[in-house]
Amino acid sequence: SQQGEEDPQALSIQEGENATMNCSYKTSINNLQWYRQNSGRGLVHLILIRSNEREKHSGRLRVTLDTSKKSSSLLITASRAADTASYFCATDGEISSGYALNFGKGTSLLVTP
Amino acid sequence: EAGVVQSPRYKIIEKKQPVAFWCNPISGHNTLYWYRQNLGQGPELLIRYENEEAVDDSQLPKDRFSAERLKGVDSTLKIQPAELGDSAVYLCASSLQGSSYNEQFFGPGTRLTVL
Repeated sequence: SQQGEEDPQALSIQEGENATMNCSYKTSINNLQWYRQNSGRGLVHLILIRSNEREKHSGRLRVTLDTSKKSSSLLITASRAADTASYFCATDGEISSGYALNFGKGTSLLVTP
Repeated sequence: EAGVVQSPRYKIIEKKQPVAFWCNPISGHNTLYWYRQNLGQGPELLIRYENEEAVDDSQLPKDRFSAERLKGVDSTLKIQPAELGDSAVYLCASSLQGSSYNEQFFGPGTRLTVL
C-alpha cells in the first residue's frame, strides 16, 4: 500500500520560477526521502530528511518535514527545463519490512522554457 | 561506477506466456529490491533480498511470481503465466544494507506489456 500522497498531482511552471510539492503520510517514520523520475527512466535519489530534522538543503532543493502534521514539502528554486520529471516522496517502512520504501503517487512537474 | 543494470528494457508478451526480468545490483550492495510501478503510481515493493535470502516477500503474488538471487548478486524475477494486469514497469533497486537511512539506487526498469 502507498503511504505517501503528493500534492499537486501535476504542476506546470516556467523556467526560473520556484516549484513546491507537498507530501502527506499516515504513520510514524524514521526518515522521508524524495526521488525524481524522468520519463522512461529509473528513480534518482534527491534528498533524505530524518524525523528529527525540520529542514534540509541540497543545491536548489529545500525539503521541510513536519512530523506533527505528517507532511513534507520539496521546493525547487530557479527551476530549469531539465527539472521536468515526476517527483515522489518515500517513507521508510517498519523494521519488519526491512525499511522498504513506501512511495506516493508522485507529482508530475513540467518546466517550460 | 556502474549503476543498477536491468534487462530487458522492454518486453511485450501475450497473456499466459512466461516472462523473466534480470537485475544486476551495484557491486557490494547486499540488499536488493524488486518494485512494480503501475502507470501513474509510485513503485510498490514486491520482494526484498538480504544477500541471497528473501527476507520480505509478503507483497509478491506467489501463485504466478517467483524470484531468486542465487549467489547473492544478480537476481531474476519471473512471472508465469502473465496476466493483462501485470503490465507495468518492474524496477530493481539495491542498497548497501537494509538500513533505515539507506539510499536506494534504482535501475532503469523493465517495461512489460501483456497483450
